[in-house]
Amino acid sequence: DAGVIQSPRHEVTEMGQEVTLRCKPISGHDYLFWYRQTMMRGLELLIYFNNNVPIDDSGMPEDRFSAKMPNASFSTLKIQPSEPRDSAVYFCASSLRRRPYNEQFFGPGTRLTVL
Amino acid sequence: AQTVTQSQPEMSVQEAETVTLSCTYDTSESDYYLFWYKQPPSRQMILVIRQEAYKQQNATENRFSVNFQKAAKSFSLKISDSQLGDAAMYFCASSGGSQGNLIFGKGTKLSVKP
Repeated sequence: DAGVIQSPRHEVTEMGQEVTLRCKPISGHDYLFWYRQTMMRGLELLIYFNNNVPIDDSGMPEDRFSAKMPNASFSTLKIQPSEPRDSAVYFCASSLRRRPYNEQFFGPGTRLTVL
Repeated sequence: AQTVTQSQPEMSVQEAETVTLSCTYDTSESDYYLFWYKQPPSRQMILVIRQEAYKQQNATENRFSVNFQKAAKSFSLKISDSQLGDAAMYFCASSGGSQGNLIFGKGTKLSVKP
């Protein structure tokens, strides 16, 4: 099992540019989560999907952020335009809706730096 | 709404000693799981231990064990024989029976002194 795969691992971009983060969940998992982690705000849930359908996007900070899950094996988180305050580590996680409930498997994260 | 509270932002332990990290939670669900995740400096989130609410016996994984007090809604993590590699951020989390997500606490940063 390859685990949750995220790309890129590091991204450095300039303010105003579009950023796309990618995630491949564990095969067979039916939930996918996007988190953001900063020193100031800790670990924040941005959005999560069930069977490719967004369930809760209340954590998405503003309209500059969007997420899609076109199929069960791929999801993207897009920031357009990016701002310095978006600098953070972004995690993708996946889980299966069965016992043990909601145990999440995390990817290695993408460290985003917006200059 | 479900909440998870970790009241100790930072903890420190001497190598080979025992340390306990605190966690309290609030849920209206009757069927749920509790988890402890470890995040070392590498940033990778690693599951340390899980506890099913219906099980009275406390979960144990090698040097890691929990003290699950269901009535008090308390779920503490005990690390025995602490090692330098245990230094990390530890997150407590709870699941809900009807929801698909986990509710995370804000984390406790554990330092291990040689």
